[in-house]
Amino acid sequence: SAVISQKPSRDICQRGTSLTIQCQVDSQVTMMFWYRQQPGQSLTLIATANQGSEATYESGFVIDKFPISRPNLTFSTLTVSNMSPEDSSIYLCSVASQGGALETQYFGPGTRLLVL
Amino acid sequence: GQNIDQPTEMTATEGAIVQINCTYQTSGFNGLFWYQQHAGEAPTFLSYNVLDGLEEKGRFSSFLSRSKGYSYLLLKELQMKDSASYLCAVRSGGSYIPTFGRGTSLIVHP
Repeated sequence: SAVISQKPSRDICQRGTSLTIQCQVDSQVTMMFWYRQQPGQSLTLIATANQGSEATYESGFVIDKFPISRPNLTFSTLTVSNMSPEDSSIYLCSVASQGGALETQYFGPGTRLLVL
Repeated sequence: GQNIDQPTEMTATEGAIVQINCTYQTSGFNGLFWYQQHAGEAPTFLSYNVLDGLEEKGRFSSFLSRSKGYSYLLLKELQMKDSASYLCAVRSGGSYIPTFGRGTSLIVHP
């Protein structure tokens, strides 16, 4: 299994500002993802972070609002830009490795964001 | 798109057995996952089914019927620490990435 860390673990931010969340994995992984989990809701995929190229965004999410970097196989960042209270959520980094049945997806501990 | 349906909340008694159901509608089914998520923590992988039948792993078992679009997670000998949200996730089509259901909040009481 992969060990995933996220920074910060939580933050309280003002409307209109931006926050960058970091995700670090203890081993090289093929695929990295960013999810959002709003209170009482399930996990919603924001985007797939691609190494060395632009992230692949899901419907309803755009690069200007959620820019993503992935400079190597163990690290990625998600920025929540121009925040509003609707962005208050838990943001989770997730990884998976290609090989075999590609069965298991691991999640980081999450970043709890509150926007005032 | 996919429709994944699971009960919002269930309660059970310590030591008992509980079955959490998940139904789904999708095309090109390619696997079903169960995750456990304790409050304030990340989801952790429990099971993966791609073929029909029952997969047993200790106190937890997962069942899949592809023809019925149905799965369940069976938890035996319930413990208080099993109180958590249980997420059903379905993978379909050419996508590796599963779609998650809303989760079932399980409350285990003494």
